[in-house]
Amino acid sequence: QVQLQESGPGLVKPSGTLSLTCAVSSGSISSTNWWSWVRQSPGKGLEWIGEIYHSGRTNYNPSLKSRVTISVDKSKNQFSLKLSSVTAADTAVYYCARGYNGYDYAYLDYWGQGTLVTVSS
Amino acid sequence: SSELTQDPAVSVALGQTVRIICQGDSLRSYYATWYQQKPGQAPVLVIYGKNNRPSGIPDRFSGSSSGNTASLTITGAQAEDEADYYCNSRDSSGNHKVFGTGTKVTVL
Repeated sequence: QVQLQESGPGLVKPSGTLSLTCAVSSGSISSTNWWSWVRQSPGKGLEWIGEIYHSGRTNYNPSLKSRVTISVDKSKNQFSLKLSSVTAADTAVYYCARGYNGYDYAYLDYWGQGTLVTVSS
Repeated sequence: SSELTQDPAVSVALGQTVRIICQGDSLRSYYATWYQQKPGQAPVLVIYGKNNRPSGIPDRFSGSSSGNTASLTITGAQAEDEADYYCNSRDSSGNHKVFGTGTKVTVL
C-alpha cells in the first residue's frame, strides 16, 4: 500500500517561503500517477494547490500559480512544494496525495497525514 | 466558471438515505469525485468516475450525475458516516482541479 509522508518546517515567517517535501514509499513516483498538494486552512474547506507528473509537467491552481513551484526528485522518490511570499492566509494543513487523471475524471487515492504550517513572526 | 457549490450542511436519521449535491459548470464535462473527511483526518476517496468505489468503501455510497449537478447518495446512513464531504472535479480548462465548498453530514 502506497504511503506518503509530508515533512518540513511547521513555522514560516511572513514574506518567507514555505517548503515541504512528500516522501513516497511502497510505490514509485515514476508510475502513471500525478502527485498533488492540497491544503486546508483552519476550519475551512480543501484547496487544490497543484500537481506534478514524474516527467516534470505541472499544473497549478491559477490563484496560486505566481507563488507556487512543485518539483519532483525521482532519485529520492519524493516531490516538493515551495510557496513564496507567504502571509497568514497561507496558514493551513498541507496534504500531499497521489492522483490519477482519466479522460473525464480524476481522483486522489492515497493521502499523507497532513502537516500544519503556521505563518507567523 | 471553476466553482463547485455544495450545501453547507445536511442531516439524516440513522438508517435513512441522504443525498449530497454538488453543482458547477465543469460537471457537464467531467465527473465529480467525492471525498469523506472526519475531524483531524486526511480526506478519503469514496466515489470517482461514473460511480466507482475504491476497495473498502461500503456499497451504501453511490454517485450519479446529470447536467451540471453531481450527487453522492448514502443509502442507510450509519453513525460512522458523519463527516464532511467534498466534491472535486477539473475546471473547464481540464488542467486544474477544484474542490467543492463541502457539506457537513450529521447522522441523527
